[in-house]
Amino acid sequence: NAGVTQTPKFQVLKTGQSMTLQCAQDMNHNSMYWYRQDPGMGLRLIYYSASEGTTDKGEVPNGYNVSRLNKREFSLRLESAAPSQTSVYFCASSGGQGPGQPQHFGDGTRLSIL
Amino acid sequence: GDSVTQMEGPVTLSEEAFLTINCTYTATGYPSLFWYVQYPGEGLQLLLKATKADDKGSNKGFEATYRKETTSFHLEKGSVQVSDSAVYFCALSVGNNRLAFGKGNQVVVIP
Repeated sequence: NAGVTQTPKFQVLKTGQSMTLQCAQDMNHNSMYWYRQDPGMGLRLIYYSASEGTTDKGEVPNGYNVSRLNKREFSLRLESAAPSQTSVYFCASSGGQGPGQPQHFGDGTRLSIL
Repeated sequence: GDSVTQMEGPVTLSEEAFLTINCTYTATGYPSLFWYVQYPGEGLQLLLKATKADDKGSNKGFEATYRKETTSFHLEKGSVQVSDSAVYFCALSVGNNRLAFGKGNQVVVIP
C-alpha cells in the first residue's frame, strides 16, 4: 500500500543551492498538490495540478516551480533556496468523482536551509 | 474567500475525558468538510468527512456533524486514549479539488 511516496525524507541545503523534491502516487489520481507546513501556520498550498499537463499557483508559490511529469509524478523545485523556505513539505493527491473527494498525503520532506 | 477557523491553542486532557475541538467555516456554496489527523513524524490522514448539511461523519470513535445553520463542524470523542495524541486539522473543499485547512490543534492526552 504505497499511496503517496515522497523523496527525500530529510535534506539540509545551503542558501542559494537548488533542490527538487519528488512525489509519486500509485492511486491513479488526477489531482496532485504541494503544501508546506510551518509552526502555527497550518498547511499552505504552494502549487497544484488538477490533471496531467496542468499546474496552477496556490497560496504561496514564490520561490518554487513544479513539474507534472506524468499522471503519477509531481515534483517541486527550489531554484535558489532561502532560509525562509525551511519547512516540512507535503505532497498529496486526490481523485474520483463527486463531492467530498479527500486528499491522500505522503509522509513529508523535512527541509532545512542554512 | 472560503476559510476554516479552529479554536486557538493546544488541548491537554486526561485519558477517558471527553474531547471537543471547534471548527467553524466561511464558504460560498455547499462545501464538503473534513477532519484530518497528523501523528508525530507522519503526513495527514483523513479521519472523517461530511458532504452535505446534517451529515454526521464518524471514525475510530470520533464524530462531527455538518451544521449549516451555525457553519460548524466540531470534532468530538467521548473517551480519549493516549494514542489519540496528535494534531487535528479541519478542512473544507474550495473547488478544483482543493482544500482549505485550519491551523490545527495539538491534542495531548495524559495517562
